[in-house]
Amino acid sequence: QSALTQPASVSGSPGQSITISCTGTSSDVGGYNYVSWYQQHPGKAPKLMIYEVSNRPSGVSNRFSGSKSGNTASLTISGLQAEDEADYYCSSYTSSSTRVFGTGTKVTVL
Amino acid sequence: EVQLVESGGGVVQPGGSLRLSCAASGFTFDDYAMHWVRQAPGKGLEWVSLISGDGGSTYYADSVKGRFTISRDNSKNSLYLQMNSLRTEDTALYYCAKGWYFDLWGRGTLVTVSS
Repeated sequence: QSALTQPASVSGSPGQSITISCTGTSSDVGGYNYVSWYQQHPGKAPKLMIYEVSNRPSGVSNRFSGSKSGNTASLTISGLQAEDEADYYCSSYTSSSTRVFGTGTKVTVL
Repeated sequence: EVQLVESGGGVVQPGGSLRLSCAASGFTFDDYAMHWVRQAPGKGLEWVSLISGDGGSTYYADSVKGRFTISRDNSKNSLYLQMNSLRTEDTALYYCAKGWYFDLWGRGTLVTVSS
């Protein structure tokens, strides 16, 4: 049950687009379309942003989008805003019916 | 209001036990699987355990298997985590989370394992 691999940090200027990668294996990310993404602001609980690779829950901005290719999933934030500065985590279903989170990415808005 | 509220955290010595609770409201509790997820201070999220809606299936992370037990009481809309043989590395904020995609989280309860 190794954590999925994410870059430690990603930054961008307001209005730009950034992409966060999430790399796993064929036993998790690559094997199922059950990848989700979470946003966590300091001192707050995580918030679901994307589920089933690319679906947005009601109320989540359409500036957030998800995709997957092989064993790597990606979260793209377009039109970056100051409020997007937070930690982001991916998660996947696994072949053992368990779940695994990514290592987390700190997004900084310059 | 749709919410999850964790309780039961505290300070415990290594080797000790603690039972966490999560009270659910605002949704049909037994329709949903439930999870425990933890976050060590300054660290990332770690999935801990999952229980199905009817309580018949349970799953655990390797790091807690054999020491932690997840359970639920659907008549009380409550989720539990019995933690035994606690280690210093179990120190974390423990969240309960709802559903297949963790679409609702509580605020967490802090567990500190220290002598």
